[in-house]
Amino acid sequence: QLQLQESGPGLVKPSETLSLTCTVSGGSVSSRGYFWGWIRQPPGKGLEWIASIYYSGSTSYNPSLKSRVTLSADTSKNQFSVKLTSVTAADTAVYYCARHASGWYEFDYWGQGTLVTVSS
Amino acid sequence: QSALTQPPSVSGSPGQSVTISCTGTSSDIGRYNRVSWYQQPPGTAPKLMIYEVSNRPSGVPDRFSGSKSGNTASLTISGLQAEDEADYYCSSYTSSNTPVFGGGTKLTVL
Repeated sequence: QLQLQESGPGLVKPSETLSLTCTVSGGSVSSRGYFWGWIRQPPGKGLEWIASIYYSGSTSYNPSLKSRVTLSADTSKNQFSVKLTSVTAADTAVYYCARHASGWYEFDYWGQGTLVTVSS
Repeated sequence: QSALTQPPSVSGSPGQSVTISCTGTSSDIGRYNRVSWYQQPPGTAPKLMIYEVSNRPSGVPDRFSGSKSGNTASLTISGLQAEDEADYYCSSYTSSNTPVFGGGTKLTVL
């Protein structure tokens, strides 16, 4: 059974960089045909796709966040990561990692999510 | 890319049917048969309930069905059960080669 688990600091200061890692078990980030993405959800609000990565390194980004987001994948550790720079209180959210097949962004497996609060 | 439009809330009694709409544009729902629906009970991660407009992943009850007409997609839940109470989100592939989500609909089972 595929499982995804987010990890990283729960508190980040304004203007600093948010860094999260998703560890995949029961499957491989190198699986052909599968992409790995990040989605966030501010408290009490809806879902927002951040970005996705293919094991080859190919990436796609939400245009509204593209200038601040970097995605990477470490196939040796079966992990993928996201960095979001220059964070503000508006970046406070539950961050989920998830898998989608091909390039159609239908997310079939999700991590449990991790709350990141931006505050001094 | 603007969010897809969903009603903030819907409700129904056990055994009844409810339909949640999701309105987009000719650049997303109207162009692609790549609409998905997610169920999110409070405090949990979203769960894929429908993909490619009307397909159910293994394990999703056939009480859940999806459809699309023009720029609007719909999720129908028949034989409503208390466990169906949750937030529901639609999503669509877009002409920008990115996904867009709806604002979410809170389903209350009366």
